[in-house]
Amino acid sequence: EVQLVESGGGLVKPGGSLRLSCAASGFTFSSYSMNWVRQAPGKGLEWVSSTSSSSSYIYYADSVKGRFTISRDNAKNSLYLQMNSLRAEDTAVYYCAKCSTTTCPPGGFDYWGQGTLVTVSS
Amino acid sequence: QSVLTQPPSVSGAPGQRVTISCTGSSSNIGAGYDVHWYQQLPGTAPKLLIYGNNNRPSGVPDRFSGSKSGTSASLAITGLQAEDEADYYCQSYDSSLSGVFGGGTKLTVL
Repeated sequence: EVQLVESGGGLVKPGGSLRLSCAASGFTFSSYSMNWVRQAPGKGLEWVSSTSSSSSYIYYADSVKGRFTISRDNAKNSLYLQMNSLRAEDTAVYYCAKCSTTTCPPGGFDYWGQGTLVTVSS
Repeated sequence: QSVLTQPPSVSGAPGQRVTISCTGSSSNIGAGYDVHWYQQLPGTAPKLLIYGNNNRPSGVPDRFSGSKSGTSASLAITGLQAEDEADYYCQSYDSSLSGVFGGGTKLTVL
């Protein structure tokens, strides 16, 4: 059974940093691109970042470029999101999501974690 | 402002058919990228409903179907049931290979 479990969320002050983790199991993690997607309270889904299986290709949304860094450790079956210079508008539930194909595009996101809440507030 | 445009809400009575549109541009859907659809029930993570424009993952009822034409896509739900009440999102990619979502559509079953 595929499982994605996020951790690392919490309350942080504007300008602060946080590192999210996503522990994956039930599939060959090293073969699939992975993504972070966020959802602000009461709002829609926003794609944040993706990394290819070997980290050769990494992409970011304009809203987080230069502040967030996605990474992965295939030996530990884990995905990470380092978030720096956090702003109030980064407040959201952050989901990790697996690509349904080995690369995204073309695939969609076939498995999602339960999400971890990040709150940026003074 | 989302890159892909969806109606904020749709509604229908049990047993009816509803459609949800997803309008993009020549830099995303129109560039040939597949469209995927997600269902999000209240308080839960999104679930992949349709992938590759018109394919259903195992376990998704055939009441759900997708289509794509030009710069737009649609999700159709037939035989509407109370359990279908949820938020629905379309998703694709743009020319920079970034993911893009629609703003979401809230389906109300009357």
